[in-house]
Amino acid sequence: EVQLLESGGGLVQSGGSLRLSCEASGFTFSNYALSWVRQAPGGRLEWVATIGGSGESIFYADSVNGRFTVSRDNSKNTVYLEVASLTVDDTAVFYCALSGLVTFHFDFWGRGTLVTVSS
Amino acid sequence: EVVLTQSPATLSLSPGERATLSCRASQSVSSYLGWYQQKPGQAPRLLIYDASKRATGIPARFSGSGSGTDFTLTISSLEPDDFAVYYCQQRSNWHLTFGGGTKVEI
Repeated sequence: EVQLLESGGGLVQSGGSLRLSCEASGFTFSNYALSWVRQAPGGRLEWVATIGGSGESIFYADSVNGRFTVSRDNSKNTVYLEVASLTVDDTAVFYCALSGLVTFHFDFWGRGTLVTVSS
Repeated sequence: EVVLTQSPATLSLSPGERATLSCRASQSVSSYLGWYQQKPGQAPRLLIYDASKRATGIPARFSGSGSGTDFTLTISSLEPDDFAVYYCQQRSNWHLTFGGGTKVEI
């Protein structure tokens, strides 16, 4: 059974940073791309970043490029998202999502971790 | 960036009725469009991928159609469990985008 478990969210002041983690199980981790998708309170879903299975292919949304860094440790079955220079507009639930296992859309999602940025 | 516009924003229907949701792309995304269902406090769930293919375990009352810039999600006969928010998402390039969502309410 595929499981994605996010952690690392919390309350942070504007300008601060956090490191989010997503621990995965139930599939061959290094074979698949993982993404981060966020959702502001009451808002739409927004793709943030994707990292390929080997870690060599990385893509970012323009809104976070230069502030967020995605990485992965295939020995720990974990993908990370370092979020920095945070503003109140970054307040959101951050989801980890898996694509490519069945389809090339987001087949599986974690439950999310909430990042709240205070001014 | 491909902008996805969903309409209507809210759809008020009753159980047993047919729901028709629209997603329009600002440029062609071929058939690289998916639909997700999201309920309050839950992560999204993939319903339809590549415009018209049902994801694993999705009931046959959900169907998708379209290509290029115009797409439709149809729920043939609404069940009480179907009242939720639905999002479309394109994967035609690596700047993935979602639509703003359609809320299907009673």
